[in-house]
Parts: sequence; structure tokens; C-alpha cells
Amino acid sequence: NAGVTQTPKFQVLKTGQSMTLQCAQDMNHEYMSWYRQDPGMGLRLIHYSVGAGITDQGEVPNGYNVSRSTTEDFPLRLLSAAPSQTSVYFCASSQGQGIDEQYFGPGTRLTVT
Amino acid sequence: GEDVEQSLFLSVREGDSSVINCTYTDSSSTYLYWYKQEPGAGLQLLTYIFSNMDMKQDQRLTVLLNKKDKHLSLRIADTQTGDSAIYFCAERNSNSGYALNFGKGTSLLVTP
Repeated sequence: NAGVTQTPKFQVLKTGQSMTLQCAQDMNHEYMSWYRQDPGMGLRLIHYSVGAGITDQGEVPNGYNVSRSTTEDFPLRLLSAAPSQTSVYFCASSQGQGIDEQYFGPGTRLTVT
Repeated sequence: GEDVEQSLFLSVREGDSSVINCTYTDSSSTYLYWYKQEPGAGLQLLTYIFSNMDMKQDQRLTVLLNKKDKHLSLRIADTQTGDSAIYFCAERNSNSGYALNFGKGTSLLVTP
């Protein structure tokens, strides 16, 4: 199993550009989520999904969209990038049962100039 | 949302014990977690404790849970330089499916 994969690893955008961060998992996990990590702020939840076709907002959803058309994929779209969205983005997935260990991708480091 | 609180930085000498403390917010959390993040990598589950336990030991790791005070601690015995990383305390976020509420992370520096 590849686990949770994220692409790209690094990205530089200009203010106002849009892009999609890709996330995929091959563990047949129902639950997937996106976090952003900023220095001194820990990880903050952007959006999450409890299954294909179901998404909801987390703590910091503004400026981001998500969709979940398949169990495997959970892309995060930046509609019009702003410097405040400069961050490291992590995708995670879990079974949603028992201990419910979250499996994290390696992260995407995004810089918006 | 409500905050999970941790101290931000801890420095210890190799061979000493490290204790990282955390206070959490949701008294209904079934599991509480410690995740480890090494430089440039994602987070990995280090250990967890079920809410009806007071203590859990796993090799060099000891987790203590005080439910009354909503206090969680992680003790690493015989700390090694390879333990240098950021350690996150986390609780299940009851309002966001199975996503987690994380603390801000404690950077552990182990010096020779």
C-alpha cells in the first residue's frame, strides 16, 4: 500500500491564482481530512469528509473548496490564492473505527507571493 | 474551536527522561493521542490511551491520563537524539466527524 499520497510536494503561486492540491489513499478509508500547519499554530482543520459525496467545513474553511467523488480521492482547491494561505498542507485518512489512527500524507508546502 | 494546550519547547540531555504535558478540552473523548512529526515529514501516531485508563506503558513511552483535570502527559525514558521531533497531543473532535483537535506541538530537542 502507498498509504496517503499528496501532490505536489512544493508549489509557488502568485496572489489570485487558483490550484488544486491532490490527495489520494489506497486503504479504503471512509474518513479524510485536510489540515494546514503554520508555525506556532499547530494543525488546523480546513475541511473533512466522512465518505464519498459528503464533505463539511472545519475550523478554517474560507478560501478553500473540497469534493469527494470517490473514496480514494479528496482534492483541496484554492480558489484565489492569498499570501495568508502560505502554509504546509496535510491530508489525512482514517477508518473511523476503534483506535482510529489517522494516516498522514507527506505534506504540500505552498508559498503564495 | 476550543484549544488543546501544550508547552511549545523542551530540551533534555541524551539519556534523561522527557515529559511532555497537555491539557485537552473534550471530556467525552474516547481516545487521546500522541503524534510525532519528524522534520519535513507528516505526522505519525506514536501512542494513544483509551479514556478509561489512567496509564499506558509502551516500551520507553508512558502515557498518564488525569480525566478530572483533563491532563495528559507523555514520558519518554532514556531519551535519544533520534527522539528529537515535534510531539502533538490530540483529541477526537466530536463536531468534525473523525478529525482531530491538535495542540500546537512541543518541539523536543535532545542534546548529546
